[in-house]
Amino acid sequence: DVKVTQSSRYLVKRTGEKVFLECVQDMDHENMFWYRQDPGLGLRLIYFSYDVKMKEKGDIPEGYSVSREKKERFSLILESASTNQTSMYLCASSLVPYRREWGRSSGYTFGSGTRLTVV
Amino acid sequence: QQQVKQSPQSLIVQKGGISIINCAYENTAFDYFPWYQQFPGKGPALLIAIRPDVSEKKEGRFTISFNKSAKQFSLHIMDSQPGDSATYFCAARDSQGGSEKLVFGKGTKLTVNP
Repeated sequence: DVKVTQSSRYLVKRTGEKVFLECVQDMDHENMFWYRQDPGLGLRLIYFSYDVKMKEKGDIPEGYSVSREKKERFSLILESASTNQTSMYLCASSLVPYRREWGRSSGYTFGSGTRLTVV
Repeated sequence: QQQVKQSPQSLIVQKGGISIINCAYENTAFDYFPWYQQFPGKGPALLIAIRPDVSEKKEGRFTISFNKSAKQFSLHIMDSQPGDSATYFCAARDSQGGSEKLVFGKGTKLTVNP
């Protein structure tokens, strides 16, 4: 099974700190995504990447940046954490379409999430 | 803007009953419609998915019904069990421009009472 591992389950950071959230997947997926999940708002896409060193903004990229230096690793960076960034952060990965024709799933595989609290 | 509208926000069903969650979308370019199940403390997991050229897909007690003309799709859970208590998200895939991303509904918290 594909495994997506997020380095921390819980993080508490202070306002203004630079925060790194790490995500690693072990199944050679090309696509990787960062979402935040908030009650009543569902999952909102922050950034995604479809290849090493490639990134695209999602729906709510403000205050965030990302890094993808290796295929298996996708990092979310909060340059200067603020209290409104307190949330559950979810990383996901998926295959590109041409590889799915080999009978692999079209779905995303999510990590277990990092609950970030900014105080 | 909310591209996938999901209802209800919460749902309480008795054991053995049928749970129904509905989603609607506007973007006709969406080409794949998965449902995810999330238990507390876990990330969402793919439950079942359908493509727009199919009107229904069934996997065990879970069925997706898809109405392309109405731009609606729904999840039916037959013989609901307490172990089905979770949050369910519908989603739609946007493949325009060569890059793919899923747009999620806001979720439905399902509680199945014993």
